[in-house]
Order: sequence, then C-alpha cells, then structure tokens
Amino acid sequence: GDSVTQMEGPVTLSEEAFLTINCTYTATGYPSLFWYVQYPGEGLQLLLKATKADDKGSNKGFEATYRKETTSFHLEKGSVQVSDSAVYFCALRGAGSYQLTFGKGTKLSVIP
Amino acid sequence: ETGVTQTPRHLVMGMTNKKSLKCEQHLGHNAMYWYKQSAKKPLELMFVYNFKEQTENNSVPSRFSPECPNSSHLFLHLHTLQPEDSALYLCASSQVKGNEQYFGPGTRLTVT
Repeated sequence: GDSVTQMEGPVTLSEEAFLTINCTYTATGYPSLFWYVQYPGEGLQLLLKATKADDKGSNKGFEATYRKETTSFHLEKGSVQVSDSAVYFCALRGAGSYQLTFGKGTKLSVIP
Repeated sequence: ETGVTQTPRHLVMGMTNKKSLKCEQHLGHNAMYWYKQSAKKPLELMFVYNFKEQTENNSVPSRFSPECPNSSHLFLHLHTLQPEDSALYLCASSQVKGNEQYFGPGTRLTVT
C-alpha cells in the first residue's frame, strides 16, 4: 500500500537558518503530494502541493519539488522565522484515490 | 464563522459516558472526513462521507458512530470508550471526494 516516510524530529533551528525536511513516498502510479502544517492548538493547514512529476509547489517562502525518480518531496525554506515553528506533515493521495496517507510529522522549533 | 469548526475543543469523559463531537463546514463542500491523531502515529482516517453517504469506514470500532445529517454537519458519537481512544479528533472537508481537504482545529479527547 501507499506510505510516506519523513525525517524524524524534532528539528531545532536558529532564525534565518535554511530548512530542509525530507519526505519520501511509496505509491503506485502518479500520486499527488502535499505538505500540511499544524500550528500549536490548531488543525492542519495545506501549505503546498504538487500533482505531477517535476512540479514545484510553493507558499509563504516554502518550496517542494515532486521528484518521481527519487520518489521524494522534500520541503525547503531559505530563511526560517520563529513563526514557522509548527509540525509539518507530508502526505500523498494516490492516483484515482480520495484517501490521504500522511507521514508521522516533523516538529520544527525556530529559536530567536 | 468561516472554514471548518469543531466543538467542543476539549472533552474529558469517563469510559461509561456518551458524548458527541460536532463538526461544521462553511465552505459549501460535499465531502467530510473524521481523522484520529494520536501521539507519535500518523493521522488515521476513520470515516468518509460524500453527499451525506458514508463511503469509508476504516475498521473503526463500533464505539465510534458517525452521523452526517447534511453536507455541512458531521457528528461523531462516542460511547464506552477506552483510555487508548484519547487523541485529537480532526474533521476535514473537501469540495468533492478526493479534492484538497480543509481541516478543523480538532477536539482534544481524554478518556479517563
């Protein structure tokens, strides 16, 4: 079945540092890929998405590129802020499916 | 109110109690979902409703009983729960089954 593996947290960075959160997936066909963010005490918010190979999703300075050859969708940001502290979830939706499969989440803490 | 709302935000109940969680979406969507978020585990899809019809039950114990009276409202009725059912219960909605899902803030449930 489909699965998503993302790097174990927690991740602690200083403000303005570069962020990478790795995400790899296993799925048949061509899934759609997503990054969701969960701020403390809140539900999940869609951060960005990509629906086909080589697509780049971007939002709020975050980017991720759909790499079919490496089955990856790594999240990056060039300069993190304290307000980016949250839990980040990588997810996929299989081709022709409605079900989202989530990774376990990576907690990011950004310190001033 | 905008987006997806959930009430209550926090709930403590004994194992013999009966309670209900409520979800309401103000987005005009036709599909609604219940997820369970436990510590250190990926989000688990519990139920899916599409146009008020239940289309998915991911082997959820019968002590959880969903109800979808219309496309805007979704309930999760709880009875004789176990301590291991303590978790954050998230509701989500999408335009149609399979499109981007929008999440509510969740209900933090503690079973004593």
